Amino acid sequence: GEDVEQSLFLSVREGDSSVINCTYTDSSSTYLYWYKQEPGAGLQLLTYIFSNMDMKQDQRLTVLLNKKDKHLSLRIADTQTGDSAIYFCAERSSYTGGFKTIFGAGTRLFVKA
Amino acid sequence: DGGITQSPKYLFRKEGQNVTLSCEQNLNHDAMYWYRQDPGQGLRLIYYSQIVNDFQKGDIAEGYSVSREKKESFPLTVTSAQKNPTAFYLCASRDPLRVTGELFFGEGSRLTVL
Repeated sequence: GEDVEQSLFLSVREGDSSVINCTYTDSSSTYLYWYKQEPGAGLQLLTYIFSNMDMKQDQRLTVLLNKKDKHLSLRIADTQTGDSAIYFCAERSSYTGGFKTIFGAGTRLFVKA
Repeated sequence: DGGITQSPKYLFRKEGQNVTLSCEQNLNHDAMYWYRQDPGQGLRLIYYSQIVNDFQKGDIAEGYSVSREKKESFPLTVTSAQKNPTAFYLCASRDPLRVTGELFFGEGSRLTVL
């Protein structure tokens, strides 16, 4: 079945790098996403990666994709207190009739000043 | 600015009452979704609609109902049949023409059953 797994908590010091990891199960997923959720708010798309890419960099964010191991990671360089949030990994999974988005449980990132 | 508006942001309900959560979008997206979020769990799909006047059950549709009479609007009714309705509800939309397929979310509605 489809499943996206990620650890629930991560704590880092301000200025350090954060690495949030995720594993997924659908090898046919075309897109994988990272969404950010601030307290009491909806999710916002941070970045995405197409399945034929290994890496994508966008300013402080680096996404690494290992298709063989079905592993996705998000690295945030120079983590700031404003990066404290829940980060959701998600995959775009195909099913009969179309696509659906499968979300992980979210990793809560704590940034200590 | 285009976006998704959910209301109310906070809602309290007594057991046995039905409540309706509003979701309006001005992004001109055909597809709309309702998710439920519980602490420590991923988002779970309640209902989705690919086009006006059509909608399908998601993974946890029992105790919920929806309508899609207008492209802009996709209200969710939490009925008294939903056994554990206290949760954070998120509405989302997607442009089916965007190959990247990302979802756009509203700010959410928190429902508490007293």
